[in-house]
Amino acid sequence: DTGVSQDPRHKITKRGQNVTFRCDPISEHNRLYWYRQTLGQGPEFLTYFQNEAQLEKSRLLSDRFSAERPKGSFSTLEIQRTEQGDSAMYLCASSDRDVYNEQFFGPGTRLTVL
Amino acid sequence: GDSVTQMEGPVTLSEEAFLTINCTYTATGYPSLFWYVQYPGEGLQLLLKATKADDKGSNKGFEATYRKETTSFHLEKGSVQVSDSAVYFCALSPWGGYNKLIFGAGTRLAVHP
Repeated sequence: DTGVSQDPRHKITKRGQNVTFRCDPISEHNRLYWYRQTLGQGPEFLTYFQNEAQLEKSRLLSDRFSAERPKGSFSTLEIQRTEQGDSAMYLCASSDRDVYNEQFFGPGTRLTVL
Repeated sequence: GDSVTQMEGPVTLSEEAFLTINCTYTATGYPSLFWYVQYPGEGLQLLLKATKADDKGSNKGFEATYRKETTSFHLEKGSVQVSDSAVYFCALSPWGGYNKLIFGAGTRLAVHP
């Protein structure tokens, strides 16, 4: 396995459009996380899945954001009616360790909202 | 809520110099502590971790000790190389939660020959 992959790597969109990002975790990992990182800041937690169940959502995840992991494998993150403030790097991570939480990160999807 | 504070960068050092990047945290209970590194053009990578008080994490010559009495997890390396130039993030995983990570703002390290 080559690690966590994300698609697309870059997305440029106009304000008001909807965008969807995909994350493919390491195959045997049952835990999947989404984070958002803005320039000069550390990643901020958005949401967490264990298998197909979404178990935690941050207050950062407004009603315009929705995430799914329908079969407990890949996940999608959709942003509706994008705003300029949504411009950021969206990171996906996966993990299979309960105690030590060793998360493996993907390369990220950079979103630019014009 | 839980949070992480790390020293502002950039930190600029000459090759073979000693490195310290300070990290302190606020958390309830017994969080796990991590250092992640982001090399230019690459994704975040776990550098080292410590899961209980007085544990020392180490990897690639870097070390950090979990100090509960001072709520700190400072990153150190005895002799830095140009290849260590990167952004370093201190992070914690809250105690008793779903293992999400809470990150500091990151510290950029630049090592010159």
